[in-house]
Amino acid sequence: GQQVMQIPQYQHVQEGEDFTTYCNSSTTLSNIQWYKQRPGGHPVFLIQLVKSGEVKKQKRLTFQFGEAKKNSSLHITATQTTDVGTYFCAGPFGSGGSNYKLTFGKGTLLTVNP
Amino acid sequence: EPEVTQTPSHQVTQMGQEVILRCVPISNHLYFYWYRQILGQKVEFLVSFYNNEISEKSEIFDDQFSVERPDGSNFTLKIRSTKLEDSAMYFCASSLRDSSSYEQYFGPGTRLTVT
Repeated sequence: GQQVMQIPQYQHVQEGEDFTTYCNSSTTLSNIQWYKQRPGGHPVFLIQLVKSGEVKKQKRLTFQFGEAKKNSSLHITATQTTDVGTYFCAGPFGSGGSNYKLTFGKGTLLTVNP
Repeated sequence: EPEVTQTPSHQVTQMGQEVILRCVPISNHLYFYWYRQILGQKVEFLVSFYNNEISEKSEIFDDQFSVERPDGSNFTLKIRSTKLEDSAMYFCASSLRDSSSYEQYFGPGTRLTVT
């Protein structure tokens, strides 16, 4: 079945350093989504990327969707302690195109040393 | 801001017992989902539900699991005879799914502990 691979599994940075997590799919995706899960919390939607080569920014976060729509990245500039959490990419799959399930990557746990 | 709610926040049950996890999706959403997350692992899809029927289910969602939307607001997950390995955080999610918006909104989760 379709898989979403995410690396690295863990990343520890000093506050102020940059952080990047990468997501690779075995097949082309119609779109890819990114979620953040704080420790003890639930996944919270961050962004959806749809177009080939798309780049979207949210303050210090930059999201990219690859030209082949099979990979994506999330980059955080100048991390802060509030960025701590697990970042998941997720790819949607449909049955007959009428509904979706999300297949999540294993996530990257980001810890930030103040 | 509208949000998905789930009850209870924590459920402890004995192996073999039935449990019902409850969710209230966002009111104008049309698609409903259950996911589970074993401690420290990734979020795993269980089932999606649309128009009062299951749309997709994973291999995890065997005959011990069932879902129901008993009224216009609640969405429930029932596990008929719990096993130790059912211990996990269970998240309900809902989505609007129009032509441009597929993001899913997750509830805070129910932590199920089977002893």
